[in-house]
Amino acid sequence: DQQVKQNSPSLSVQEGRISILNCDYTNSMFDYFLWYKKYPAEGPTFLISISSIKDKNEDGRFTVFLNKSAKHLSLHIVPSQPGDSAVYFCAASGRYGGSQGNLIFGKGTKLSVKP
Amino acid sequence: KAGVTQTPRYLIKTRGQQVTLSCSPISGHRSVSWYQQTPGQGLQFLFEYFSETQRNKGNFPGRFSGRQFSNSRSEMNVSTLELGDSALYLCASSSGGRAGETQYFGPGTRLLVL
Repeated sequence: DQQVKQNSPSLSVQEGRISILNCDYTNSMFDYFLWYKKYPAEGPTFLISISSIKDKNEDGRFTVFLNKSAKHLSLHIVPSQPGDSAVYFCAASGRYGGSQGNLIFGKGTKLSVKP
Repeated sequence: KAGVTQTPRYLIKTRGQQVTLSCSPISGHRSVSWYQQTPGQGLQFLFEYFSETQRNKGNFPGRFSGRQFSNSRSEMNVSTLELGDSALYLCASSSGGRAGETQYFGPGTRLLVL
């Protein structure tokens, strides 16, 4: 049973517009969420994170929003650039038994930003 | 600071063989986690080591094992390789492996089992 879901396998956006990537989770024990970007043949690169005590975190062009009641988070990229084209993974962790060092990942959304 | 390094980057083995992969964490990081990435299953947690002890283990068979050395470097071993073990193996390090800590990933080792 997937605890972290990214329901859109792919997303295509025009350069300069906003990209919105979505993620849903089922485990209410999760209290820390991260977004990673991955290019082919490379490891995931950390982008931005958010703690469950916040509902928004911003870093440059990247903003993550968390809606705890809906168990939903989203990553906004504004403005989108062709170099943002990659697979984006949502990940979660929590303070429960068996959680040490274990990030639970969604299956990723492939973002294509067209010039 | 140097990032997480993994060796080798690519590996080809045949069924029944065994393989050892190596990971050097970011300096000062004591927690090393291993993940398997396949197209169908995404990134799945294998195990986590902290101070030379395995603290956590995912749902993988006993053929998958690991260890950590006193300098925090880690190795993972897969014995009796199967075709389905073909995957990208990623290691990630963090300072303590606690919830709320960011994990930083290496470039991965691409394993192909023929």
